[in-house]
Amino acid sequence: EAEVAQSPRYKITEKSQAVAFWCDPISGHATLYWYRQILGQGPELLVQFQDESVVDDSQLPKDRFSAERLKGVDSTLKIQPAELGDSAMYLCASSPSGVTDTQYFGPGTRLTVL
Amino acid sequence: GQQLNQSPQSMFIQEGEDVSMNCTSSSIFNTWLWYKQDPGEGPVLLIALYKAGELTSNGRLTAQFGITRKDSFLNISASIPSDVGIYFCAGINYGGSQGNLIFGKGTKLSVKP
Repeated sequence: EAEVAQSPRYKITEKSQAVAFWCDPISGHATLYWYRQILGQGPELLVQFQDESVVDDSQLPKDRFSAERLKGVDSTLKIQPAELGDSAMYLCASSPSGVTDTQYFGPGTRLTVL
Repeated sequence: GQQLNQSPQSMFIQEGEDVSMNCTSSSIFNTWLWYKQDPGEGPVLLIALYKAGELTSNGRLTAQFGITRKDSFLNISASIPSDVGIYFCAGINYGGSQGNLIFGKGTKLSVKP
């Protein structure tokens, strides 16, 4: 069964360092999402891509976060510089063609900022 | 912004018991989804509901999309130890090409053998 791949699974970094997360959606899925999940909460959307274009990044802290999906396939989420409050699970999800489709989640990257 | 109120926050039940959890919102949703998340993993889709009043089953799981489109419930019958995890409801309200998936805060289920 096709799955969303994410790496790394775990990342520990120090405050003010740069970190990057990678996501490879299910093959053929045009829509890709990055979510942040704080412990004890549900995931919250950071950015949504349709192919290589950003559709919604209204909740992305753009002073330190950036996301790209250059060829409309895999995607990278970057944080620079990392802050203590960024410690969370970062989840990637994909859906076939848009927001009306079911989203399938990857295993996530657990980020700890010291 | 839109919020989902999910209850209960946590449940401790005996193996074999039935479980019921629900989600309510002040806003209307076009789609309701129920996910399960195991520790350190991403959410896994259990059931998707697309029409008001829809009742859908997946094995021992049954979920319903409320008539008012502002609520949904999930039932698990005859619980087993592997049902342990956090269950999230999520709703989608479409707006053009956007449709944020709004999650509840989760119901943590513990099953005692």
